[in-house]
Amino acid sequence: EIVMTQSPATLSVSPGERATLSCRASKTVGNSVAWYQHKPGQAPRLLIFGASTRATGIPARFSGSGSGTEFTLTISSLQSDDFAIYYCQQFYNWPPLTFGQGTRLEIK
Amino acid sequence: QITLNESGPTMVKPTQTLTLTCTFSGFSLNTGGVGVGWIRQPPGKALEWLALIYGNDHKRYTPSLKSRLTITKDTSKNQVVLAVTNVDPVDTATYYCAHSGTMLGYFGPWGQGTLVTVSS
Repeated sequence: EIVMTQSPATLSVSPGERATLSCRASKTVGNSVAWYQHKPGQAPRLLIFGASTRATGIPARFSGSGSGTEFTLTISSLQSDDFAIYYCQQFYNWPPLTFGQGTRLEIK
Repeated sequence: QITLNESGPTMVKPTQTLTLTCTFSGFSLNTGGVGVGWIRQPPGKALEWLALIYGNDHKRYTPSLKSRLTITKDTSKNQVVLAVTNVDPVDTATYYCAHSGTMLGYFGPWGQGTLVTVSS
């Protein structure tokens, strides 16, 4: 099973600033990584797939990068609506599909 | 527009079978490359993928729970059903169903989720 490890667990950033979230895979996953945004009581939302491709309707301030074992989700110029929990997920070698434990992005 | 909605009991007793239904619209589950998956999230914990069924009826399960899970589809009703046998309090979680538009294994969009508590 491929373990996905996200860091930091909590990230405090001021609105308008940039947030950088990291995800590390225990084995290479190529570029088979997706990122999701999750707000309490709401459905998780697909942001990025294939490590760097934005899903339909996702604003350009969200970008993904990385390959192999190291991945990054960058949110430029944070807006109030962006404060949520973010999860990475690998779909390179499965079953099982595996998620990271999440990074909570909070307002500084 | 694709939408998914989970339904099922809010509470089940240990050793019982939990049956959850995902009712969807905006797509048809009779195309091989399209699928519906189930993912759960115990309170305060991370997301855990459970199962995925495709339009060609191909099914995949998480190995650690495979013996307890059954996923089925009813294309005439636009529904996917997940059964979890012999539940335990550790199965307490919010259960989500989600659309998978490819065979690759990522999900979007998702349903709102339904909280299931396992308790005697």
